[in-house]
Amino acid sequence: GESVGLHLPTLSVQEGDNSIINCAYSNSASDYFIWYKQESGKGPQFIIDIRSNMDKRQGQRVTVLLNKTVKHLSLQIAATQPGDSAVYFCAENILPGGKLIFGQGTELSVKP
Amino acid sequence: EAQVTQNPRYLITVTGKKLTVTCSQNMNHEYMSWYRQDPGLGLRQIYYSMNVEVTDKGDVPEGYKVSRKEKRNFPLILESPSPNQTSLYFCASSPQGTEGAAQHFGDGTRLSIL
Repeated sequence: GESVGLHLPTLSVQEGDNSIINCAYSNSASDYFIWYKQESGKGPQFIIDIRSNMDKRQGQRVTVLLNKTVKHLSLQIAATQPGDSAVYFCAENILPGGKLIFGQGTELSVKP
Repeated sequence: EAQVTQNPRYLITVTGKKLTVTCSQNMNHEYMSWYRQDPGLGLRQIYYSMNVEVTDKGDVPEGYKVSRKEKRNFPLILESPSPNQTSLYFCASSPQGTEGAAQHFGDGTRLSIL
């Protein structure tokens, strides 16, 4: 069935290093992907999104890469800061539908 | 202030006692959705609504009902709660569908069904 999964459940990085969080999806019909950040005790926050007609999209310190051939998505965070410590989720969607499927999440821990 | 408001934030109740978790947004958003979050399972979508009077099942709709009689409100109803519905619930809204940076989440409702 449909699924979105993350390769690593936890990731620990040094402050200032770059972080890469990976996600695999199985539904080749998905054409829209979103990354969310969830801090402890809060609801998820949108970070960045990408449509399937793009391979890469950049935001402020974050980049999302999409490889449709292997159905793989990644989130890169440049110069990781302690405030980036959180759980990160990927989600997939088939536009214009409203059904979102989330991955399990990766916990990012930033060491000072 | 633009926000999604869920009530209650915390609830402990017993099996079989009907309960409703309210969700209200003040941004005139068309799209609203409910999720549950469980350890090791991440976020799973329960129901969503693309607009007033339009609701659809997400991944885990069993045991839940929703209604969308007006744009701002999207209550989640548990007619006969059971212990496996103990979870952290989030409501979210966005202007149109799932697309775009404007999807807002509420602060969550922690339900414990004994």
